[in-house]
Amino acid sequence: AQTVTQSQPEMSVQEAETVTLSCTYDTSESNYYLFWYKQPPSRQMILVIRQEAYKQQNATENRFSVNFQKAAKSFSLKISDSQLGDTAMYFCAFSPLFQGAQKLVFGQGTRLTINP
Amino acid sequence: DVKVTQSSRYLVKRTGEKVFLECVQDMDHENMFWYRQDPGLGLRLIYFSYDVKMKEKGDIPEGYSVSREKKERFSLILESASTNQTSMYLCASRKVYLSLREGGTEAFFGQGTRLTVV
Repeated sequence: AQTVTQSQPEMSVQEAETVTLSCTYDTSESNYYLFWYKQPPSRQMILVIRQEAYKQQNATENRFSVNFQKAAKSFSLKISDSQLGDTAMYFCAFSPLFQGAQKLVFGQGTRLTINP
Repeated sequence: DVKVTQSSRYLVKRTGEKVFLECVQDMDHENMFWYRQDPGLGLRLIYFSYDVKMKEKGDIPEGYSVSREKKERFSLILESASTNQTSMYLCASRKVYLSLREGGTEAFFGQGTRLTVV
């Protein structure tokens, strides 16, 4: 069974700083996708970024980027120039390919607070 | 604008009641999911469905059942609500993917139902 671990329950940084959220996962699959989702106080889950395991290049989306280390099974999220609107719960998720009903397996979440 | 709609944002029920949580999506997605969200535990999969009338158990199915009579609607049923089912429930839908390149399809979520069982 696949598992996803986020070891940082809470983090807090000042506005404009850079912050990195950690995620590790365990799987025997070779092909899969990884995602970071954001859940602001409104509770609406929003996709932040996704990474294909078969691509070595790290994904980037504006201020958000990932550090994907396949051998180490690590998938961290870096937020640059953090903004107050980045305050949210962040969930790392794993999606196996060609297995079962294409479900997402989530980590425990990291509560990120951006302080003014 | 894509949408996953959950019927209630907040719900209070009594122990022993039968509870229905409804979820509707308008994206013609094949896959639908029910997750439970608890602090420190993240999102845990209760049940999922990959087609009408098809369902499979997730990681924590005990005390729950589901129904999918139409493609757009996926219902979660608590047969006899208990206090340990007090939680946030999230519904999600996701387009099925058939190739490696399609595997990164996004899951879309409803706004959640915060259920309190007293």
